[in-house]
Amino acid sequence: EAGVVQSPRYKIIEKKQPVAFWCNPISGHNTLYWYLQNLGQGPELLIRYENEEAVDDSQLPKDRFSAERLKGVDSTLKIQPAELGDSAVYLCASSLGRGESYNEQFFGPGTRLTVL
Amino acid sequence: GNSVTQMEGPVTLSEEAFLTINCTYTATGYPSLFWYVQYPGEGLQLLLKATKADDKGSNKGFEATYRKETTSFHLEKGSVQVSDSAVYFCALSRSRDDKIIFGKGTRLHILP
Repeated sequence: EAGVVQSPRYKIIEKKQPVAFWCNPISGHNTLYWYLQNLGQGPELLIRYENEEAVDDSQLPKDRFSAERLKGVDSTLKIQPAELGDSAVYLCASSLGRGESYNEQFFGPGTRLTVL
Repeated sequence: GNSVTQMEGPVTLSEEAFLTINCTYTATGYPSLFWYVQYPGEGLQLLLKATKADDKGSNKGFEATYRKETTSFHLEKGSVQVSDSAVYFCALSRSRDDKIIFGKGTRLHILP
């Protein structure tokens, strides 16, 4: 079974440029999460989707960040424009969203963003 | 608010040594507790979990016991291997509908 797929793995851009990250969750997983992981820190939730609905986006900086999950499968996270402080690893995770394993999240390898 | 505090790394041990990584939490109610592991170049993986007080989670020789009285969930392993070198994250979730809150992570180095 394929795990959570993310692309690109690495991205280097100049500040003020736009950038987008893509995530393909595990097949059948209804819940999808985007996390931000700064160097030396644990992941912090940016947004959570239940199917195509964003049910928790309270930590998403909406002035520059946006996300979508069309058709309730793949998801894209966008930053426009990027700032120096956005340099971090962006993690995608998915979970079944039901049953005892509701909170068992499976993580992708992440996209490491460097803003110059 | 809800939070997780774990010992700072890096932790460096020799192979076959005993491992303890301390983790304490602050949360209302009865959260579920987790340990995640991140091997170099890979995503986070759930290592073990416990959903109620006195539960013991275990996997791959690692174990942790949910201690409500001390609000702790320390990770232990009796004999570490070089392949255990990774970053370990303690985490909690207040309920099945709530987000997971992670600690800062502890980097573990095992020397052969």
